[in-house]
Amino acid sequence: GNSVTQMEGPVTLSEEAFLTINCTYTATGYPSLFWYVQYPGEGLQLLLKATKADDKGSNKGFEATYRKETTSFHLEKGSVQVSDSAVYFCALTSSGNTPLVFGKGTRLSVIA
Amino acid sequence: DAGVIQSPRHEVTEMGQEVTLRCKPISGHDYLFWYRQTMMRGLELLIYFNNNVPIDDSGMPEDRFSAKMPNASFSTLKIQPSEPRDSAVYFCASSQTTGGGGYTFGSGTRLTVV
Repeated sequence: GNSVTQMEGPVTLSEEAFLTINCTYTATGYPSLFWYVQYPGEGLQLLLKATKADDKGSNKGFEATYRKETTSFHLEKGSVQVSDSAVYFCALTSSGNTPLVFGKGTRLSVIA
Repeated sequence: DAGVIQSPRHEVTEMGQEVTLRCKPISGHDYLFWYRQTMMRGLELLIYFNNNVPIDDSGMPEDRFSAKMPNASFSTLKIQPSEPRDSAVYFCASSQTTGGGGYTFGSGTRLTVV
């Protein structure tokens, strides 16, 4: 079946540090991949997505590249801000016809 | 559009009581999803609907849980009787497709069963 594995958190970084949150997946067919972000007390919001191999999704300075050969979709940002503190979820849908399957989430705390 | 609206935001109830969570999806979205979030298990899909019809309820933990969607603008998730292990944040989301990244989540209902 479909599954997503994220790096364990929490992750604590200083402002302006480089961020990587690892995500690997197992899926049937040709999955689409997503990163969602959850700020405290809120629901999840779509951050970025990629629908085919080698695609790069980007938004708000965050990037992730769909790597079929390594079944990965790692989230990166070159310089984090305190306002990026949140929980980040990697997710996939297989061939666009199945509900999203989420990883367990990675909590990021950015300190000034 | 006001987004996906869930109520109540917080619910505290005693074990054995009936709990009803409510969701109003975004107009025009044909899919509605109920997820449960806990520290131990993360986000779990409980059930989803397409055009008000339940498509997959295999994630519903047991018979104490039931969900309905009587019309395109309203859905409920009911727990009867509630137990302490049901304590979690319950999210409703709506979308124009099953996947595709178009999910809009509500703010969630934090349920505490004491």
